[in-house]
Amino acid sequence: GAGVSQSPSNKVTEKGKDVELRCDPISGHTALYWYRQSLGQGLEFLIYFQGNSAPDKSGLPSDRFSAERTGGSVSTLTIQRTQQEDSAVYLCASSSPGPKNTEAFFGQGTRLTVV
Amino acid sequence: AQTVTQSQPEMSVQEAETVTLSCTYDTSESDYYLFWYKQPPSRQMILVIRQEAYKQQNATENRFSVNFQKAAKSFSLKISDSQLGDAAMYFCAYRSGHQKLVFGQGTRLTINP
Repeated sequence: GAGVSQSPSNKVTEKGKDVELRCDPISGHTALYWYRQSLGQGLEFLIYFQGNSAPDKSGLPSDRFSAERTGGSVSTLTIQRTQQEDSAVYLCASSSPGPKNTEAFFGQGTRLTVV
Repeated sequence: AQTVTQSQPEMSVQEAETVTLSCTYDTSESDYYLFWYKQPPSRQMILVIRQEAYKQQNATENRFSVNFQKAAKSFSLKISDSQLGDAAMYFCAYRSGHQKLVFGQGTRLTINP
């Protein structure tokens, strides 16, 4: 596609419910990132996929958070048993392979509100 | 682990003036890339400028330029002739090889008319 696409753009869910956030990276991009951003704050790293390597999950805040990347393309971030502190904007980014072209392109984000 | 530090949570500047945003980083790598991203209220992250560590010349993009001091591990962003549309959060970021992109905490820039 022309850019990184995230869906939904907004999600309101009840505390305790599970949610799935989707990211469609730019075609051919082997690197994919998920970040979380609370209102007016910086970017909190969650998880990083790079090609066929094992993902870097070091940023996931708890075992309620998980992410998959199917076929090296689309990624889904799942939050189980959502809590109010999970409310934030979740940003996805992708970048092309190789160390010489390392710019990351971002999607518009999914604003998650847990009520 | 690589870290990126932005010591200025907020900055403000008068329209048409020049402002410099600071960024320092910590790494043991010799080849890496540094970036400045802008995030306006629309929340879309936009790349402003990129610097490759092996290039000594400072990158420039129109009104945006960097002061890259490799030995000091410093990477500041200078915005000349500030415009109202420059108001945003600015994030400094680092990446080496296939490692993950690491961001600083961000600096909120306000432009005063």
